[in-house]
Amino acid sequence: QKEVEQNSGPLSVPEGAIASLNCTYSDRVSQSFFWYRQYSGKSPELIMSIYSNGDKEDGRFTAQLNKASQYVSLLIRDSQPSDSATYLCAGQNSGYALNFGKGTSLLVTP
Amino acid sequence: NAGVTQTPKFQVLKTGQSMTLQCAQDMNHNSMYWYRQDPGMGLRLIYYSASEGTTDKGEVPNGYNVSRLNKREFSLRLESAAPSQTSVYFCASSEALTRHWRGLAGADTQYFGPGTRLTVL
Repeated sequence: QKEVEQNSGPLSVPEGAIASLNCTYSDRVSQSFFWYRQYSGKSPELIMSIYSNGDKEDGRFTAQLNKASQYVSLLIRDSQPSDSATYLCAGQNSGYALNFGKGTSLLVTP
Repeated sequence: NAGVTQTPKFQVLKTGQSMTLQCAQDMNHNSMYWYRQDPGMGLRLIYYSASEGTTDKGEVPNGYNVSRLNKREFSLRLESAAPSQTSVYFCASSEALTRHWRGLAGADTQYFGPGTRLTVL
């Protein structure tokens, strides 16, 4: 079993709606978590990181971490067509490397 | 600041040829990484360098070698390219060890270069 799991999607939401992206992880990647956005043909760019239980908000984005249930989620409020991309969830243990999920494709329709 | 830069952006090789992918960062980061990204597989770690002078294998190191030339530069070499190495290669860097030494809690963010698209025929 891969250490970080994501549903590959595609997840389709209408413009203005809330997009909810989810990720589960194993014990080996239980320290910090990251959400990256990747447009087609481009490199991953960081949206948010989270390492404490609970919610962390940054503008339209909210990351949620639940260590007891071993899941991390990303909520995108007021979704825009420009949010259409692949969202990568990554976990980091006490070492240095990241373990990535396969990514969830998000499509925001006008 | 340019952040993380990679050369070349595109490359086509024939099976058996060799090449070196170059990566440089200007953020004074200690740690650097090489990933490959294949359709349906996500990003997988090839090698990483926690600090200047050290390198370690990641999830998929076979067929690759790396060199941490100095604090800024980390290169990835394919000695004898194979079609299975057709992929997009990303270099990344982070503070990592600096945060550890300073006792900083929290996440250690990795910053990615623009990638190299490699095709092996």
